[in-house]
Amino acid sequence: DIVMTQSPSSLAVSAGETVTINCKSSQSLLYSGNQKNYLAWYQQKPGQSPKLLIYWASTRQSGVPDRFIGSGSGTDFTLTISSVQAEDLAIYYCQQYYDTWTFGGGTKLELK
Amino acid sequence: QVTLKESGPGILQPSQTLSLTCSFSGFSLSTSGICVSWIRQPSGKGLEWLATICWEDSKGYNPSLKNRLTISKDTSNNQAFLKITSVDTADTAIYYCARTGIIRGRGYVMDAWGQGASVTVSS
Repeated sequence: DIVMTQSPSSLAVSAGETVTINCKSSQSLLYSGNQKNYLAWYQQKPGQSPKLLIYWASTRQSGVPDRFIGSGSGTDFTLTISSVQAEDLAIYYCQQYYDTWTFGGGTKLELK
Repeated sequence: QVTLKESGPGILQPSQTLSLTCSFSGFSLSTSGICVSWIRQPSGKGLEWLATICWEDSKGYNPSLKNRLTISKDTSNNQAFLKITSVDTADTAIYYCARTGIIRGRGYVMDAWGQGASVTVSS
């Protein structure tokens, strides 16, 4: 099984700050057949179901603001949120879909 | 517009079988490449993928729960189902269904989710 490890588990930020969330996989998510990284990011606000933000490690889902930026390749990935807004306070999960599906433990973004 | 909605018993007793239904619209489980997955989330905890069923009836299960899970579908009525046998308190969670897919033989993301169904296992 592919294990996904996120850090930090929580993060306190002020509005307008830039934050970085890290995600590491136990094996490479880069598929040689198409040179794509099978890594997605989801946002879950309190009381809501998860929402897809980013797939192929860096492609934003339709309607997702461009302040959400995904990067990385292989086993190390990052979600950067520039100029955090109050509406971004949520739990963020990375997910691999290279071999079935596995989620990271989540990173809770809170207000400082 | 793609929508999914989960339904279940709400509360059940230990050792019983949990039966969940995912009713969806806006897509068809007979379309090549389309799948439906079940994911659960205990209160205050993270997400755990449980099972996936695809258009051609292939199925995948989380190895840690495989012996207790059965996923199925009713394509004509746009529904997918999950059964979990021998439940205990550790199965208390919100259960989500989500649309996913298979592209060129590999998995894809979960791009639409239901609102979730709360399940409590208690004696």
